[in-house]
Amino acid sequence: AQRVTQPEKLLSVFKGAPVELKCNYSYSGSPELFWYVQYSRQRLQLLLRHISRESIKGFTADLNKGETSFHLKKPFAQEEDSAMYYCALSAHTGTASKLTFGTGTRLQVTL
Amino acid sequence: ETGVTQSPTHLIKTRGQQVTLRCSSQSGHNTVSWYQQALGQGPQFIFQYYREEENGRGNFPPRFSGLQFPNYSSELNVNALELDDSALYLCASSLQTLNTEAFFGQGTRLTVV
Repeated sequence: AQRVTQPEKLLSVFKGAPVELKCNYSYSGSPELFWYVQYSRQRLQLLLRHISRESIKGFTADLNKGETSFHLKKPFAQEEDSAMYYCALSAHTGTASKLTFGTGTRLQVTL
Repeated sequence: ETGVTQSPTHLIKTRGQQVTLRCSSQSGHNTVSWYQQALGQGPQFIFQYYREEENGRGNFPPRFSGLQFPNYSSELNVNALELDDSALYLCASSLQTLNTEAFFGQGTRLTVV
């Protein structure tokens, strides 16, 4: 069975400080990992996925299979980054794919 | 292009009742997945529908059932509601079953009293 762990419920940083949101996973197959973000009063939306290797809004995440981690990083936090962040793993069961989410980390960026 | 829409936005039901939640998928998307998000938790996969058939199910009892219609919209039905069913129910649509870029609706907040 697959599992996603986000150890921090809340991460509070100052504006301009570096951010690292931790995510660890367990999965026997080849993982496909995502970060989803939910801004206040908005729907859950995809931030980035590991296979695209993009940098979105200054965020990056590298899949480390040895450490089974997919930490989300940003060098300089902005106020607008304050949101709920969910790490998710995609698992295939037959022809279906499902996302397994972590419990989320609330990022709070203060002045 | 329209996004994923869910109705109603909020709902209060009594224990033992039945409820139906609705989801319109994003234009062109043929796969709909439903998730339950309890307070303080991440979304949990309930099931997925593709071409009007259930195409994968999470660890939820049979009283959670669904439908997908020819226009790819979907319903989630929950029978014999329990207090623990109180949660935010999210619908997500995608283009193919194995295309895991899911687009989420705003959710329906269900409260069971």
